[in-house]
Amino acid sequence: DAKTTQPNSMESNEEEPVHLPCNHSTISGTDYIHWYRQLPSQGPEYVIHGLTSNVNNRMASLAIAEDRKSSTLILHRATLRDAAVYYCILRGNTGGFKTIFGAGTRLFVKA
Amino acid sequence: EPEVTQTPSHQVTQMGQEVILRCVPISNHLYFYWYRQILGQKVEFLVSFYNNEISEKSEIFDDQFSVERPDGSNFTLKIRSTKLEDSAMYFCASTWLAPSYEQYFGPGTRLTVT
Repeated sequence: DAKTTQPNSMESNEEEPVHLPCNHSTISGTDYIHWYRQLPSQGPEYVIHGLTSNVNNRMASLAIAEDRKSSTLILHRATLRDAAVYYCILRGNTGGFKTIFGAGTRLFVKA
Repeated sequence: EPEVTQTPSHQVTQMGQEVILRCVPISNHLYFYWYRQILGQKVEFLVSFYNNEISEKSEIFDDQFSVERPDGSNFTLKIRSTKLEDSAMYFCASTWLAPSYEQYFGPGTRLTVT
């Protein structure tokens, strides 16, 4: 499975934008870039995903580099509720389409 | 919005006992999964299940583990003889089909083996 690299932690102020980076230099052409987050004491939660183009949804935006070797999850206005571990994951056509979690980035949001 | 549900939320069992963790995936999904997370560690893939058979399993998923879809709605994980190191949060997940679709995770079952 292709690997992703994320910073261990990041800090943000409430109501400011947050840019969470992810490197995935060994991504294959059929890998989708998924982002999930895990709030304290909860199960992982889907945030957003994309293949080549930038994506927006009600939770966040995903900016994908032209060579697809990196991506950035953008939270437009961080709230205290966004404090969580954010996982950047590649999902491809391997058996079962499983999700392999790394350590993720722990986001701290200051009031 | 559809959701994955899991029961029980917390299970306490003694070492050597069998436990069954239950999940109800989203109704039109085709792939089902179990993951576990030991306290303070990352989420680990255990097994994926499609078309009534295991699609892929990790090294963790040894002979002590089994999965079943006994009817059209439930998906279960059985641990035959629990060990202390099986204590963890167990998450069920489901997805429609391809990697272009998101996985939906349940809230988890906390298993405590004493």
